[in-house]
Amino acid sequence: DGGITQSPKYLFRKEGQNVTLSCEQNLNHDAMYWYRQDPGQGLRLIYYSQIVNDFQKGDIAEGYSVSREKKESFPLTVTSAQKNPTAFYLCASSIGPDRVDQPQHFGDGTRLSIL
Amino acid sequence: GNSVTQMEGPVTLSEEAFLTINCTYTATGYPSLFWYVQYPGEGLQLLLKATKADDKGSNKGFEATYRKETTSFHLEKGSVQVSDSAVYFCALLNTGGFKTIFGAGTRLFVKA
Repeated sequence: DGGITQSPKYLFRKEGQNVTLSCEQNLNHDAMYWYRQDPGQGLRLIYYSQIVNDFQKGDIAEGYSVSREKKESFPLTVTSAQKNPTAFYLCASSIGPDRVDQPQHFGDGTRLSIL
Repeated sequence: GNSVTQMEGPVTLSEEAFLTINCTYTATGYPSLFWYVQYPGEGLQLLLKATKADDKGSNKGFEATYRKETTSFHLEKGSVQVSDSAVYFCALLNTGGFKTIFGAGTRLFVKA
């Protein structure tokens, strides 16, 4: 079955350390997204990519970086510049920007905590 | 701009009660509307969608009708179960857009 795989499920970071969250999809989707979700809160968009080798900042990009070297992969790096990284991170994909009738597909998330 | 407003939670119901979660939107043009559900510790899943005015989306006993005249997409279920306990997100995707606009989410608790 096609889907989105996020790894690891749980991740711990020490102060001053960069960590990378993995997101892989086998849905052949063009667009991919990273969201942050804090307890009891909605989704906030960090970065998105409409096509390989291209990505744009979302609403809360500071302290994060991404790459999109392959269609199926969209890793997110949480840098030491992100002062409050503890959150639940969700990766999503969709067919593409010209298919507004199609939903986003989500992974099961990575929970990041500070040691 | 585009926006989605949904009723604040939490909503607490007894099993077999009727559920309504209100959702209204602001958008130009003809957006598609979605309801997603998030179970504890998981990502979001599509629950239902409607892509044009007067369309009714339905799935697993849940329904929502795209009302352009009232700019609403309220979620309903006639008889909730304990297993329906989750967070529900209303969302919008507009023509020419690539960013889905999510509401803040409504947490539902169903008591046995």
